[in-house]
Amino acid sequence: DAGVIQSPRHEVTEMGQEVTLRCKPISGHNSLFWYRQTMMRGLELLIYFNNNVPIDDSGMPEDRFSAKMPNASFSTLKIQPSEPRDSAVYFCASSLMNSPLHFGNGTRLTVT
Amino acid sequence: AQSVSQHNHHVILSEAASLELGCNYSYGGTVNLFWYVQYPGQHLQLLLKYFSGDPLVKGIKGFEAEFIKSKFSFNLRKPSVQWSDTAEYFCAVIAGGGADGLTFGKGTHLIIQP
Repeated sequence: DAGVIQSPRHEVTEMGQEVTLRCKPISGHNSLFWYRQTMMRGLELLIYFNNNVPIDDSGMPEDRFSAKMPNASFSTLKIQPSEPRDSAVYFCASSLMNSPLHFGNGTRLTVT
Repeated sequence: AQSVSQHNHHVILSEAASLELGCNYSYGGTVNLFWYVQYPGQHLQLLLKYFSGDPLVKGIKGFEAEFIKSKFSFNLRKPSVQWSDTAEYFCAVIAGGGADGLTFGKGTHLIIQP
C-alpha cells in the first residue's frame, strides 16, 4: 500500500501563475478530500469528492480555485491566478465511505 | 522531518470507561500539537491544540491532553467515554517554523460499546 501520493512536495511560484497540485488516492477508496493548512486558520476542508463527483465545494475560497477528479485514481487542485495569500500546505486525503481518512504528505505552496 | 506515532490503531471500550490515547512525536525543537476527531461519515474536527503555556489542555466534549516535553508525548484523555465518542482520532504536529505543515499520525479507531 503506497498510501496517498501527492505531487509536487514543494512548489514555489510567482504571483499570477497557474498552480496545479496532484493527488493519487489509495486504490479502492471512493472518497477524496482536499484540505488547506495554514498557521493562522489551521486545517480547512476545501472540497471533497465521492465516486469522482464533487459533493461539497463550499470550502473553496474563491473562483480562482478549482478541483477535478477525472477518474478514481487521480485528482487535481488548480489555482489560477495564484496570489501570495494562497501560500499554505495543501493536503489530499482519501477513504472508503465512513472509514478513516488517509492523508498524503502534503504539498507546500509558496507564492511570491 | 517530524513524525507522529499513535500507538493504538484500534481501541474498544465500554461506556463510562476512562480513555487515554497515546501520541508521540519526533522533533527536538518547538512544536504545536493537535488532536483531531473524525466521526463516522463526517469530516475532521479540531478537538484541542497546544501552542504554549499550561501543558494540560482542555478541549471540546470533555477531552483533554497533556504535553510532556521530556517524553515527546501528547496523550489524549477523557475520564468517562460515551457511545457517541466512537470515531477516528488523529494526533498531529507542526514542528519548528511550520514550513512543512501538519504531520498526522495514522489515527486510532475508537469503538465505544454501550
